[in-house]
Amino acid sequence: KAGVTQTPRYLIKTRGQQVTLSCSPISGHRSVSWYQQTPGQGLQFLFEYFSETQRNKGNFPGRFSGRQFSNSRSEMNVSTLELGDSALYLCASSVGQGIGEQFFGPGTRLTVL
Amino acid sequence: DQQVKQNSPSLSVQEGRISILNCDYTNSMFDYFLWYKKYPAEGPTFLISISSIKDKNEDGRFTVFLNKSAKHLSLHIVPSQPGDSAVYFCAASGIQKLVFGQGTRLTINP
Repeated sequence: KAGVTQTPRYLIKTRGQQVTLSCSPISGHRSVSWYQQTPGQGLQFLFEYFSETQRNKGNFPGRFSGRQFSNSRSEMNVSTLELGDSALYLCASSVGQGIGEQFFGPGTRLTVL
Repeated sequence: DQQVKQNSPSLSVQEGRISILNCDYTNSMFDYFLWYKKYPAEGPTFLISISSIKDKNEDGRFTVFLNKSAKHLSLHIVPSQPGDSAVYFCAASGIQKLVFGQGTRLTINP
């Protein structure tokens, strides 16, 4: 069974631009969660989507948004990029919503210049 | 508000000895706890978990202990091997959300 895939793996943007990251969950998984990882901050929860609906949201500004498609694939968008948005963005999928074991993708390394 | 804390950013252990990674949490509503391991350039992978109704769970070289009264959990790795060198994240599951700690970088020295 293929794992969670994320594209692109690396991205360089400049301040003020916007970016869209993509995540394809494991086949059969209906929940997709997004996390931001920065040094010293661990994994910060962004949001979770289940059956095309956002079920939970972390403490991030409205510049961070996402969506999920009917095939469970998910995209995350960050508008008006700031230097502090430079991070590793991880996507995780699970069979059900919310709790329990999640399977992570390799992440997208975003650098904002 | 850091609900899950790993107070040691790094830990260095000699090969063959025991590695003990610690994690504290503040929210008594958490009822399921997990440890993830992360290598560079890869996403975290699930290692071991424990439900709040237990105080110990063992899987091979890995054992997780939960002390609910102290709101503390720990991961023991015995014996430690070079391949265990990675960043370890503890996570706590609450109402439909996983909360992660900041991670501890474990280095196993030969």
